[in-house]
Amino acid sequence: DAGVIQSPRHEVTEMGQEVTLRCKPISGHDYLFWYRQTMMRGLELLIYFNNNVPIDDSGMPEDRFSAKMPNASFSTLKIQPSEPRDSAVYFCASSRKSTIYFGEGSWLTVV
Amino acid sequence: DQQVKQNSPSLSVQEGRISILNCDYTNSMFDYFLWYKKYPAEGPTFLISISSIKDKNEDGRFTVFLNKSAKHLSLHIVPSQPGDSAVYFCAASAPDNFNKFYFGSGTKLNVKP
Repeated sequence: DAGVIQSPRHEVTEMGQEVTLRCKPISGHDYLFWYRQTMMRGLELLIYFNNNVPIDDSGMPEDRFSAKMPNASFSTLKIQPSEPRDSAVYFCASSRKSTIYFGEGSWLTVV
Repeated sequence: DQQVKQNSPSLSVQEGRISILNCDYTNSMFDYFLWYKKYPAEGPTFLISISSIKDKNEDGRFTVFLNKSAKHLSLHIVPSQPGDSAVYFCAASAPDNFNKFYFGSGTKLNVKP
């Protein structure tokens, strides 16, 4: 059974460019999460969805960040425009009950 | 303001000995706790959980202890193995929003052969 699939695995982009991170959750999972990992703050929850509906986006740092979940098998996290301080590992995760399963992460570097 | 704190960024232990990873939380409403292990370049993987109705949960070499009055939990690994070397995250959630997990900043465990 495939786990959470994220793409791209690595992205290097210039400041000001738009970045789109993609996620395919585990089939049958009704919750989807976007986390960001940094050295200073560890794993931060950015936003999560239940049945494709955004439930809590209080962790989204600013208006430059947006996330969508058009259907049960796909979600995007977009940063526009990107800034160097957005450099981090972004994890998508999904769950059906109380255990969260993470993807392998998207390593973003903004130069 | 972090509601879940792992105050030790790193820990080094000899193979065969016990590893104790600590986690503190500030929100008394938290009632479900998870530990995750993360290897470099991989996503975190679930390790063990505990509900607030218990004070201990054991799974093989891994035991999690919960002290609700102190708002403290710990993960014990006995005996420690070199393959346990990873970053360990604790996480907590509250019943009013049980899918919203707050994670600590992680503790990097190094088990020396």
